[in-house]
Amino acid sequence: DTGVSQDPRHKITKRGQNVTFRCDPISEHNRLYWYRQTLGQGPEFLTYFQNEAQLEKSRLLSDRFSAERPKGSFSTLEIQRTEQGDSAMYLCASSPTGQNNEQFFGPGTRLTVL
Amino acid sequence: DQQVKQNSPSLSVQEGRISILNCDYTNSMFDYFLWYKKYPAEGPTFLISISSIKDKNEDGRFTVFLNKSAKHLSLHIVPSQPGDSAVYFCAASGPNYGQNFVFGPGTRLSVLP
Repeated sequence: DTGVSQDPRHKITKRGQNVTFRCDPISEHNRLYWYRQTLGQGPEFLTYFQNEAQLEKSRLLSDRFSAERPKGSFSTLEIQRTEQGDSAMYLCASSPTGQNNEQFFGPGTRLTVL
Repeated sequence: DQQVKQNSPSLSVQEGRISILNCDYTNSMFDYFLWYKKYPAEGPTFLISISSIKDKNEDGRFTVFLNKSAKHLSLHIVPSQPGDSAVYFCAASGPNYGQNFVFGPGTRLSVLP
């Protein structure tokens, strides 16, 4: 399977704990995105990487959130001191370089903060 | 303030009939629009897109229509099949949005056999 993969698929944590999610994009894609989706809503953009450079960050990405893509391949999204409002589906997507390219999404990581 | 709206949370259609999913947007700077389909426990899958220089784009059973003056687009599925049952998201992008898409809240389509 050469699609976008995410790990873990599900994460349950207690409020105040730190969590880290991983995304492996399609190998030839330079661009990688993180989105968050809550119940009844569409995905909301969080951040975007071009290779290893983080080029855009949404105001939704508070200082408790940090994303990295150290070698321009896989990416991690860390949430520190989780809050119940962080409970959501976290989606990763990748795309090749170029304007208006479709984004290929992974299956998501569902986070539940108790 | 939602910039991309899908005012119908759900839609039921008989197999073989046409499904019409609607999407409205408020930002006139959007110039590229996409439809994604999402099955349970999977990520969204790209379906079809349209640039603002066109008013129609067709791909097999799927056609997207764009009315820029009304800031409205629609996805037509003909004929509808049970496998089309999913949540459909409309998304938009534009020069002020870099590489990210703004998604609507989705419409759940149920195609009844």
